[in-house]
Amino acid sequence: DTAVSQTPKYLVTQMGNDKSIKCEQNLGHDTMYWYKQDSKKFLKIMFSYNNKELIINETVPNRFSPKSPDKAHLNLHINSLELGDSAVYFCASSQVSGVGNTIYFGEGSWLTVV
Amino acid sequence: DQQVKQNSPSLSVQEGRISILNCDYTNSMFDYFLWYKKYPAEGPTFLISISSIKDKNEDGRFTVFLNKSAKHLSLHIVPSQPGDSAVYFCAASASSHKLVFGAGTILRVKS
Repeated sequence: DTAVSQTPKYLVTQMGNDKSIKCEQNLGHDTMYWYKQDSKKFLKIMFSYNNKELIINETVPNRFSPKSPDKAHLNLHINSLELGDSAVYFCASSQVSGVGNTIYFGEGSWLTVV
Repeated sequence: DQQVKQNSPSLSVQEGRISILNCDYTNSMFDYFLWYKKYPAEGPTFLISISSIKDKNEDGRFTVFLNKSAKHLSLHIVPSQPGDSAVYFCAASASSHKLVFGAGTILRVKS
C-alpha cells in the first residue's frame, strides 16, 4: 500500500541510452513532482505537474521529458543519457491547499550512467 | 544561491538528550516550512511543518520553532532515540508548489 511508488529502484545504463522511470501515487493528490538529489546531496525540483499540466520546469535539459497520462502517474523519460545524469531521482506528490504544501516522496530511483 | 541553509553537516547526540537541528533561510517570501527525515536508500519522509503565522508547532517528541525576524527555524527532538539517526532536511515554500531544500544534517544518536 505504498503511497508514492517508483520503478525501477536501481538502474545502471550506458551513456547515450534512453531510459524511463515510472511513478504512481495512490494518495489522490492533484500535484506530482520529480526531484533530483545530486552528488552533493541537494534535493532540487525538476518538474511539477498539477492535474496533468506542467506547472514547474526548472531549467532541466530537453533530454528530460516528463509525461503525465493521468493525475496519479508522472513518468520521467531521459534521452541520450550522460555521465552527469547519475543521481537519485525522487518522485513526489502533494495536495496543494491554502494551509501549505506538504510533499510526500517515493523511495527514489538510483540512476548510474557508465 | 542557497535560499535554505543547514550549516551543520552533522550532529551527534547521546540517547535521551535533546537534539537541536538548525536551518536558516534568506527568502522573506517563504511562508511554509517543513522538516523531512531520510534514511539511507529511502525517500525523505515528512516529519513536521509550520506556517509563518505560527512560531511553534509540536508533535510528540518533535517541536519546530520559527523565528521570522531572524529567518531561522529549528527542530527539537526530545528525548532523542537511536532510531532518530538519519539525515534531516529543512524545506521552505513561498505559496507555490515548489519546495526549496537545505543540504541536510546527519543526526547520530548514540546509545
